[in-house]
Amino acid sequence: ELKVEQNPLFLSMQEGKNYTIYCNYSTTSDRLYWYRQDPGKSLESLFVLLSNGAVKQEGRLMASLDTKARLSTLHITAAVHDLSATYFCATAGRGGATNKLIFGTGTLLAVQP
Amino acid sequence: DAGVIQSPRHEVTEMGQEVTLRCKPISGHDYLFWYRQTMMRGLELLIYFNNNVPIDDSGMPEDRFSAKMPNASFSTLKIQPSEPRDSAVYFCASSSSSRGAKGYTFGSGTRLTVV
Repeated sequence: ELKVEQNPLFLSMQEGKNYTIYCNYSTTSDRLYWYRQDPGKSLESLFVLLSNGAVKQEGRLMASLDTKARLSTLHITAAVHDLSATYFCATAGRGGATNKLIFGTGTLLAVQP
Repeated sequence: DAGVIQSPRHEVTEMGQEVTLRCKPISGHDYLFWYRQTMMRGLELLIYFNNNVPIDDSGMPEDRFSAKMPNASFSTLKIQPSEPRDSAVYFCASSSSSRGAKGYTFGSGTRLTVV
């Protein structure tokens, strides 16, 4: 059974600081997704990582994927208050029901001024 | 493109009543998913369809839950009878097998409160 774990679960950081959120998954996968959710809102797609070594960047966020280690990271550079949200990673495994997207526990990010 | 459309946005019902949640996926998407989100359990996949056919309903909590997809543009999730523990936000999402790299698009969700 595919399991997806994120850490930390909660992250409080000051504006201008850097930090990384980690996402581990339990079975082979070649796709990894990152989503953002604001309080009371839906999930917004941030990144889709499709191969080992894939790296994508958007503004102050950069995501990477290491399929051999079954690990993805979301790096935050020089955080600003607008980045405060819950971040989820998700993957669908490989083979069989490859479209069955399973989510991690989420990381609640609070950026303090 | 209007995105994935869910209705209602909010639903408050009494225990024992029937609740029906509705979803219209993005046109052309052949996969549809129902998720439930709670503080305790996070995001749980309840059921998903491919070309209107249910593929995996192993996440449906019990027989009180049922889902249908009568055509490519409409799906329902029904709870009968509802219980307070069913209170959660229910999300519908859709995706395309031909554009899997684009990910999954989520609707705005239905916040269900059972009192």
